Amino acid sequence: DTEVTQTPKHLVMGMTNKKSLKCEQHMGHRAMYWYKQKAKKPPELMFVYSYEKLSINESVPSRFSPECPNSSLLNLHLHALQPEDSALYLCASSQPGTGEIEGYTFGSGTRLTVV
Amino acid sequence: AQKITQTQPGMFVQEKEAVTLDCTYDTSDPSYGLFWYKQPSSGEMIFLIYQGSYDQQNATEGRYSLNFQKARKSANLVISASQLGDSAMYFCAMRGVNTNAGKSTFGDGTTLTVKP
Repeated sequence: DTEVTQTPKHLVMGMTNKKSLKCEQHMGHRAMYWYKQKAKKPPELMFVYSYEKLSINESVPSRFSPECPNSSLLNLHLHALQPEDSALYLCASSQPGTGEIEGYTFGSGTRLTVV
Repeated sequence: AQKITQTQPGMFVQEKEAVTLDCTYDTSDPSYGLFWYKQPSSGEMIFLIYQGSYDQQNATEGRYSLNFQKARKSANLVISASQLGDSAMYFCAMRGVNTNAGKSTFGDGTTLTVKP
C-alpha cells in the first residue's frame, strides 16, 4: 500500500465545475508537493508546502488553488479549468530542509479529464 | 540552474539481462542529490535509489545500482537481471542542498521495455 494516498483516482469535470483533489500522508513528512504530468512527459512542479506554508508557486494559474490544512493533508482546489489542464496530478511528500536529502514518496495520482 | 539529460527515449532489454539507463546532469550547487524514479503505466512514481554528491561509493538497492561518475557528471542506473515487471518509464532527477526545500529537476525519462 502506498503511504501517500490520493483521491479520487479518476476525475472527469466540466469547465464550469468546482472540484478538489485530496492527498494524505502519515509519514511525518513536513514538505508536500503537487505535480502535473502530461503523458510521456516528466512531472512539472506546481506547488510546494513546507511546514504547512506555501513555499513555492511555479506561476500556476489561479484556477488551481492549493491548501494545506495540516501537516498530513494537502488539497488542490480546481475551478474553471480548461481542456489542456487534463493530466495526471501527483502528490508527493518528503522531509524539507537543506540538511536532508531523500527521495520523494509519491501518491498514485489523480487522472483528471476536463471536458 | 539545474539540468538533467536522458538521451534514450526508449530502451529494450531481454528478460534476465542487465540494462543501463543513461543520465547526465549539470548544476552549480556544490552539494546535491541524484535520484531515480520508476513510473509504471499505472502512474505511480516509485523512488528507486539515491546518490549523494559526496558519497564515496556508488549506491545500490537490490537489483538497482547507480553508476556515479562525478567528473563526467553522469549518474547512470543499472538494473541487473531484468524482469518483465521492470517495464516502465524511468526518470532521473536531482535536487541541490542549497535550493528551495524539495524542488527537484527531472529528466525527460526513458521508457524501458523488457522482452520475454
